Amino acid sequence: GAGVSQSPSNKVTEKGKDVELRCDPISGHTALYWYRQSLGQGLEFLIYFQGNSAPDKSGLPSDRFSAERTGGSVSTLTIQRTQQEDSAVYLCASSLGIVRRAGNEQFFGPGTRLTVL
Amino acid sequence: AQSVTQLDSHVSVSEGTPVLLRCNYSSSYSPSLFWYVQHPNKGLQLLLKYTSAATLVKGINGFEAEFKKSETSFHLTKPSAHMSDAAEYFCVVTGTGGYQKVTFGTGTKLQVIP
Repeated sequence: GAGVSQSPSNKVTEKGKDVELRCDPISGHTALYWYRQSLGQGLEFLIYFQGNSAPDKSGLPSDRFSAERTGGSVSTLTIQRTQQEDSAVYLCASSLGIVRRAGNEQFFGPGTRLTVL
Repeated sequence: AQSVTQLDSHVSVSEGTPVLLRCNYSSSYSPSLFWYVQHPNKGLQLLLKYTSAATLVKGINGFEAEFKKSETSFHLTKPSAHMSDAAEYFCVVTGTGGYQKVTFGTGTKLQVIP
């Protein structure tokens, strides 16, 4: 089946605008993760979904960032009033998310490259 | 609580020589450990994973890693580097509790010199 897909692949926006980034996980994967990767940096965890709920939002950098997931599938990451420091590649990953089962591999999407001018 | 430390941000080896990328972890639970690779302008790909079975784990492209609980380490090795191994490598730890929190290391960039 299809892997994790993300759209758009590239987004250029002006400072102060809102943006929405979309993630389509692998069908049947209940766990979904958002990460941010800035130039030359490692992966920064943003938020984790199990089904439609988000038990861990601890990585969201500010209240300008929010995310939702509907139907246990598609997720949208919204950044309001974008700032230049938000420029990064935003990666989404999904996994089977089976509780108490070890070794749930994450499958990553290709990412959305966000540039804030 | 859990954490991952990749001890080297950059590693440079000559083609045909061994590769060692170091990773230490801490975890309150019995951890699962992973190595992912990211080639330039490419997505993240799983190299191998440890899930409490055999402590020596073999992955793709000739890589392997050994889980050493006493040393809380999960170092990645390859006997002979190839030019195509040049990439960034991430060590990852997850728990096995009700919430499988995922923690990434900061990454190690591997340079392979011809």
